[in-house]
Amino acid sequence: NAGVTQTPKFRILKIGQSMTLQCTQDMNHNYMYWYRQDPGMGLKLIYYSVGAGITDKGEVPNGYNVSRSTTEDFPLRLELAAPSQTSVYFCASNILAGTEYNEQFFGPGTRLTVL
Amino acid sequence: AQSVTQLDSHVSVSEGTPVLLRCNYSSSYSPSLFWYVQHPNKGLQLLLKYTSAATLVKGINGFEAEFKKSETSFHLTKPSAHMSDAAEYFCVVSDRRGDDKIIFGKGTRLHILP
Repeated sequence: NAGVTQTPKFRILKIGQSMTLQCTQDMNHNYMYWYRQDPGMGLKLIYYSVGAGITDKGEVPNGYNVSRSTTEDFPLRLELAAPSQTSVYFCASNILAGTEYNEQFFGPGTRLTVL
Repeated sequence: AQSVTQLDSHVSVSEGTPVLLRCNYSSSYSPSLFWYVQHPNKGLQLLLKYTSAATLVKGINGFEAEFKKSETSFHLTKPSAHMSDAAEYFCVVSDRRGDDKIIFGKGTRLHILP
């Protein structure tokens, strides 16, 4: 299993440009998440999905959109990039183990700079 | 609402000495608790997890944590630090019967002194 893969690893955008961060998992997990990590701030949840066709906002959804057409893929879309979106983005996935969440598996991250 | 507090943003220890990273949580029910480690420029990796079985949980790389309900704590320890332990550590709480959210602490950066 490759686990959770993310592309690209690095990207520099100009203000106002758009891009899609790709995330794929091959573990048949139904839950998937997008986080952003700013220096010294821990992880903040952007969007999450509990299964194909179902998405919901997290703590910091403004400026982002997601879709979940398959169990495996959960792309994150930035429509009009702003400097405040400069961050490291992590995709994660997990399942329910009985009645509790199992551990999350994280991708290697995408480092995005908006200039 | 559940929450998690990592009491130290930075911890420095000498190589070969014990490590203690502190985590307090708040949850109305019986939470699941996790510790993750993030090495520089890497993703997060699970160290260990507590899910209402044994209160002393052993993880990878010699780390362990003890769930103390009376103190609402889940501190991470290791008897002897190694240079390779230098990383950021995150305490995480989740409780499906509560908020049904996964809450991350802000992280503790562990520095290992030679």
